Amino acid sequence: AQSVTQLGSHVSVSEGALVLLRCNYSSSVPPYLFWYVQYPNQGLQLLLKYTTGATLVKGINGFEAEFKKSETSFHLTKPSAHMSDAAEYFCAVSDGIKAAGNKLTFGGGTRVLVKP
Amino acid sequence: DAGVTQSPTHLIKTRGQHVTLRCSPISGHKSVSWYQQVLGQGPQFIFQYYEKEERGRGNFPDRFSARQFPNYSSELNVNALLLGDSALYLCASSLIRDGWDQPQHFGDGTRLSIL
Repeated sequence: AQSVTQLGSHVSVSEGALVLLRCNYSSSVPPYLFWYVQYPNQGLQLLLKYTTGATLVKGINGFEAEFKKSETSFHLTKPSAHMSDAAEYFCAVSDGIKAAGNKLTFGGGTRVLVKP
Repeated sequence: DAGVTQSPTHLIKTRGQHVTLRCSPISGHKSVSWYQQVLGQGPQFIFQYYEKEERGRGNFPDRFSARQFPNYSSELNVNALLLGDSALYLCASSLIRDGWDQPQHFGDGTRLSIL
């Protein structure tokens, strides 16, 4: 079974400051990892993904995440927060990306508040 | 290109009723998944369908069922609604390329309220 833990249900940052959202996962198979963002009254938008290869992954809107197998972590960062980054962020793990019962297991989410 | 579209956007039902939620995937996407997102929580996997067959099922009671049509659109049905079924129901579609599932793209969801 897979699981995802996001440390901190709420994070408050000042505009221009570093954004750091923490994600730890548990998986019995090599994980495929994702970060999604959800704005109010909307669905989920993919920020970035890790499947194989380079462990530092760059996504949209200036976000990046680093896969650390030894720490079972996939933390999300952005060097400089913008007001438009205020949203809820979800880390997710997949049990595979072959087309046979693939599913995403999500963490509980981290709500980001950006202060002017 | 149109994204994943879901209908209706909002729905109010009473306990014991039945509901059908609909999803149209992105053109070319043959895989559709359904998730339930209770307020304040992350989405929980309900079903995945690929090529009109159920390929995965989450830990949900038999009151939940789904199907996929020849045009790859999908319906989620929930019978005997309970107050705890109040949630945002998300549909996601993905492209299967060379046997590999590409990242899932989500619709804006159907918000279901049970009175």
